[in-house]
Amino acid sequence: KAGVTQTPRYLIKTRGQQVTLSCSPISGHRSVSWYQQTPGQGLQFLFEYFSETQRNKGNFPGRFSGRQFSNSRSEMNVSTLELGDSALYLCASSLVSEGLNEQFFGPGTRLTVL
Amino acid sequence: AQSVTQLDSHVSVSEGTPVLLRCNYSSSYSPSLFWYVQHPNKGLQLLLKYTSAATLVKGINGFEAEFKKSETSFHLTKPSAHMSDAAEYFCVVIYASGGSYIPTFGRGTSLIVHP
Repeated sequence: KAGVTQTPRYLIKTRGQQVTLSCSPISGHRSVSWYQQTPGQGLQFLFEYFSETQRNKGNFPGRFSGRQFSNSRSEMNVSTLELGDSALYLCASSLVSEGLNEQFFGPGTRLTVL
Repeated sequence: AQSVTQLDSHVSVSEGTPVLLRCNYSSSYSPSLFWYVQHPNKGLQLLLKYTSAATLVKGINGFEAEFKKSETSFHLTKPSAHMSDAAEYFCVVIYASGGSYIPTFGRGTSLIVHP
């Protein structure tokens, strides 16, 4: 079974631009969560989608948004990029959205904002 | 407020010696607790999870963790370290609030294994 895939793996943008990251979950998984990992703040939960609906949301500004499609693939969008948005963005999938299920993580997308 | 503290940013051991990675949490609820491992350039992988079934939880690769409610701790241990255990380890607590589940990660502990 293929693992969680994220595209692109690396991305360079400039301040003020917007960016869209993509995540394909493991086949059969309906929950997709997004995380931001930085040296300063560590790993922080962004949001989770289940059956095309946002189920849980972390403490991030509205510039960070996401969506999920009927095939469970998910996209994350960051608008008006800031230097502090430079981070590794991780996607994780699980079978259901209960908080107790094992999450399977992708390798991440490394975003650099110049 | 929910929080999780990994008491050591780095732990250095020799191969074949025991490993102890410490994690304390604060929660007014009964938490769900996890340990994940992140090898360089790889995604996070679940080591083990506590969901109130048993206080001593066994995970993959010989790791185990003990939930101690009185100490609000969930320390990760392994009797004998292997070179392949060198990685970043994250303690995670999940609390449920109004049907929502918000994972909170510790800052991570880097495990260094010397030959």
